[in-house]
Amino acid sequence: LAKTTQPISMDSYEGQEVNITCSHNNIATNDYITWYQQFPSQGPRFIIQGYKTKVTNEVASLFIPADRKSSTLSLPRVSLSDTAVYYCLVVGDSSYKLIFGSGTRLLVRP
Amino acid sequence: EAGVAQSPRYKIIEKRQSVAFWCNPISGHATLYWYQQILGQGPKLLIQFQNNGVVDDSQLPKDRFSAERLKGVDSTLKIQPAKLEDSAVYLCASSPDRDRRIYGYTFGSGTRLTVV
Repeated sequence: LAKTTQPISMDSYEGQEVNITCSHNNIATNDYITWYQQFPSQGPRFIIQGYKTKVTNEVASLFIPADRKSSTLSLPRVSLSDTAVYYCLVVGDSSYKLIFGSGTRLLVRP
Repeated sequence: EAGVAQSPRYKIIEKRQSVAFWCNPISGHATLYWYQQILGQGPKLLIQFQNNGVVDDSQLPKDRFSAERLKGVDSTLKIQPAKLEDSAVYLCASSPDRDRRIYGYTFGSGTRLTVV
């Protein structure tokens, strides 16, 4: 499985757009990119997944360039409740095993 | 749809004691996972079940940890004897056979274990 690298922490303010970039240089052809969110005292929660180009849902957007060696999770107009740890993962299409790194701790300030 | 249920929510034990955690996955989810999350780290996969069979237990410390999933539904994870370094949150997750790429895993809230 491809190793992922993402910032350890990020700070933002309410109402701003937050972009968290993850690098995965060794991603394989059949791998997908998926993002999870974890609040304190809760298990991780699936946010979004994509293979290439752009994916959008009610929570976030995921941008994946053509070479797929990186991806960017975009959170529009964050609120205090978006303070959490965000994990970028690369998953194989067949095994679909989630291997977590340390994630990015996002702190949203008033 | 009910989520993944885990119990107990918290557990404090002394080292060398035994402890067991229980997980009830989402109905119909064939795949069940146990993760260990140490404070400040991402979750680490311990074991994966497909129905009642073990798919991957390569990261499970088998000298002290055991897990079972009888009848392919709920599961228990046991630690015997516990060590101080086992203090962590134990997370259970489940996923459907199909559409995992769409829905991902669903995690429970975990059991926080403190070994003193």
